[in-house]
Amino acid sequence: GENVEQHPSTLSVQEGDSAVIKCTYSDSASNYFPWYKQELGKRPQLIIDIRSNVGEKKDQRIAVTLNKTAKHFSLHITETQPEDSAVYFCAASKGAGSYQLTFGKGTKLSVIP
Amino acid sequence: DVKVTQSSRYLVKRTGEKVFLECVQDMDHENMFWYRQDPGLGLRLIYFSYDVKMKEKGDIPEGYSVSREKKERFSLILESASTNQTSMYLCASSRQGAGEQYFGPGTRLTVT
Repeated sequence: GENVEQHPSTLSVQEGDSAVIKCTYSDSASNYFPWYKQELGKRPQLIIDIRSNVGEKKDQRIAVTLNKTAKHFSLHITETQPEDSAVYFCAASKGAGSYQLTFGKGTKLSVIP
Repeated sequence: DVKVTQSSRYLVKRTGEKVFLECVQDMDHENMFWYRQDPGLGLRLIYFSYDVKMKEKGDIPEGYSVSREKKERFSLILESASTNQTSMYLCASSRQGAGEQYFGPGTRLTVT
């Protein structure tokens, strides 16, 4: 089955700096890669996703890049703010039918004011 | 606005008890999922369902079963609760053919 590795497990940045979280996946058939944000005590919510026919996608301060050959994808957050502090999860799916997701173990991002 | 609700936020059960966790979604989604979330292990899929009365095992189905008698409701059953099933349980739903999953608030289950 699919295996998703996520690094780092914790990340601290100064407010205004950039943050990068990286994930690798094992199944070359995976073609859908979402990122979820979970604030303390709240439910995970989708913040951005990318499909394998695209190399990069941006939404304001967040962007995701995908390298299919190397089987890795990354989340980039620019101009970080304290409200970006949360646990971020990457995931991978073969993107068919039920879109079953395999999640990484998460990265706890702390933005220091 | 998608709403996924779970029957309890906190639950305390004794070892050996049968435990029911219920999840309801109001968006007519075909797919529903049960995950458990443990510190340092992320979200692990227990079971999912793509239609009424249909179910598929996820990555960690041992010790659990599920039931989906109606489209909007997906139940997770612990036949005989054990202490290693103490965890946060998250339900999610999604539309068929769409990637985004909408999560419920979670049930923190403690088995003593």
